[in-house]
Amino acid sequence: SQTIHQWPATLVQPVGSPLSLECTVEGTSNPNLYWYRQAAGRGLQLLFYSVGIGQISSEVPQNLSASRPQDRQFILSSKKLLLSDSGFYLCAWHRGDAGELFFGEGSRLTVL
Amino acid sequence: AQSVTQLDSHVSVSEGTPVLLRCNYSSSYSPSLFWYVQHPNKGLQLLLKYTSAATLVKGINGFEAEFKKSETSFHLTKPSAHMSDAAEYFCVGVTGNQFYFGTGTSLTVIP
Repeated sequence: SQTIHQWPATLVQPVGSPLSLECTVEGTSNPNLYWYRQAAGRGLQLLFYSVGIGQISSEVPQNLSASRPQDRQFILSSKKLLLSDSGFYLCAWHRGDAGELFFGEGSRLTVL
Repeated sequence: AQSVTQLDSHVSVSEGTPVLLRCNYSSSYSPSLFWYVQHPNKGLQLLLKYTSAATLVKGINGFEAEFKKSETSFHLTKPSAHMSDAAEYFCVGVTGNQFYFGTGTSLTVIP
């Protein structure tokens, strides 16, 4: 069966520090991968998605970036965090058909 | 362009009473639609999905939804609310690789 792992689950970072959130999928190949952000009390905002290794589409201009170094690995990064980067980050994968998204457990980022 | 609209940001029900969470969709063709549930500080879990088969879809935990093309709706229902149903619910549509999320409905269950 397929599983998705996302880490770290929580982190507290100072403004201006770097960020790296990792997501891996097991049990499938060539998944479409997504990073979403959920601000407190709000809906989901698509940040990045990827249909293959090295292929990244950005939906929102910001100081975040994403990379897909391997087929089932998706990394969200920042060189310098802003206060506004605080939120709940969710990784998800999709088979590429009309099926559903499968979500990781999320990463809670607090920037102080 | 496709979109989904959740008509209520907050819904409160008493334990044991029915639940109705409303979702309308906008699409030029029959969409695939989903309902997800999110508990605090957790990822989203699929409740049920509609993919142009039966219009009445049954999901987990006693939830079901009916796709009504004439009303462009996909409302989520449950006959009897349980305390554990208190969570955030999202209606989601998909076109190809693009997912369209509603803004969410927060369900409160009153004991």
